[in-house]
Amino acid sequence: QKEVEQNSGPLSVPEGAIASLNCTYSDRGSQSFFWYRQYSGKSPELIMSIYSNGDKEDGRFTAQLNKASQYVSLLIRDSQPSDSATYLCAVRQAGTALIFGKGTTLSVSS
Amino acid sequence: DAEITQSPRHKITETGRQVTLACHQTWNHNNMFWYRQDLGHGLRLIHYSYGVQDTNKGEVSDGYSVSRSNTEDLPLTLESAASSQTSVYFCASSASGEGATQYFGPGTRLLVL
Repeated sequence: QKEVEQNSGPLSVPEGAIASLNCTYSDRGSQSFFWYRQYSGKSPELIMSIYSNGDKEDGRFTAQLNKASQYVSLLIRDSQPSDSATYLCAVRQAGTALIFGKGTTLSVSS
Repeated sequence: DAEITQSPRHKITETGRQVTLACHQTWNHNNMFWYRQDLGHGLRLIHYSYGVQDTNKGEVSDGYSVSRSNTEDLPLTLESAASSQTSVYFCASSASGEGATQYFGPGTRLLVL
């Protein structure tokens, strides 16, 4: 059974701090990695994708991938109250559907 | 603008009834997916399709069926609704290719009494 593991949280950070969200996956054949954000009562929306080892930055968001350790993370710099949401890690093997972790709830306090 | 829609947005039904949830996308995406989301379980894959006439079972396919007769639609049928199928159902679609973004519909809240 392919698994994607995340700490459920809640992860609480003050406004302006860095939030660090982590994800591990079991299948070494996984090739593509995604972070989705889901606000309460809404559908998931893609915020970052990463395919090769290292860091990928997009504005306040940085995704980090380490395939040897089967680990992917998301850093949110200068966290804002509007970042409060559940963050879903998703993993795709070649030619298969996305498998999601259960999500980490982030709370940013002002 | 291209989009993905689901209907109905809310549904209440009784155990044993057949229920069909609709999903329609206007991106001309080959790939379409159905997930259910429950507290404590996250998003779980029910069925998916990589093109017309193609369907595949996901992690939690028992009690569900899909058919793909055209590119735009992937309806999800609950053959005989059970209380355990009370959930939020999300449809998603993507283009082919490893890096393709998977877009989600707004979701359908289903209550089985």
